[in-house]
Amino acid sequence: EAQVTQNPRYLITVTGKKLTVTCSQNMNHEYMSWYRQDPGLGLRQIYYSMNVEVTDKGDVPEGYKVSRKEKRNFPLILESPSPNQTSLYFCASSLSRGNSGANVLTFGAGSRLTVL
Amino acid sequence: GIQVEQSPPDLILQEGANSTLRCNFSDSVNNLQWFHQNPWGQLINLFYIPSGTKQNGRLSATTVATERYSLLYISSSQTTDSGVYFCAVVRRGSQGNLIFGKGTKLSVKP
Repeated sequence: EAQVTQNPRYLITVTGKKLTVTCSQNMNHEYMSWYRQDPGLGLRQIYYSMNVEVTDKGDVPEGYKVSRKEKRNFPLILESPSPNQTSLYFCASSLSRGNSGANVLTFGAGSRLTVL
Repeated sequence: GIQVEQSPPDLILQEGANSTLRCNFSDSVNNLQWFHQNPWGQLINLFYIPSGTKQNGRLSATTVATERYSLLYISSSQTTDSGVYFCAVVRRGSQGNLIFGKGTKLSVKP
């Protein structure tokens, strides 16, 4: 089944404890991206990747890191989480459409992160 | 940066009614998508429509790129249409930076 898989789905952690949210897709998509969703603010893009070893900042990259060493994986790293990073996180992938970036996006199920 | 505004913010319908959701954007785009987020949080792509008109069952979408807006039509609404509808764009000249509107929350009553 074609899908985007995120883990963990739920996580409660404490300030400063490094964590990684994994994202994996099995559709051979070039484009992958991370978003956070907060009440009243909608979805905001954190980082995106047009292909392996190519990553770029979205609108809210502060406090996050990503890497794209393989086409299928795009982990989101919180080096020193803070309470303002408590949010619902989504990973998404698509084939690339060249200059217009993402094609039809497929989303993961979401990861709810709470930082105490 | 580009602004994406959706209207109305909230919409309550009786089952069977039709509705039109609007997405205005402040700059030229080369990518526009509509998404539905169901009450359980799952996000599903409805349309990739940077210009023109597309239809998929009871849903259709039209984007008039020169006038910087897109419309999503839902006909004969069903309770399963409830949720939040988002549009998202990529500004022309940008590549993968996808900007979302704040969404329209639709509630369809039986």
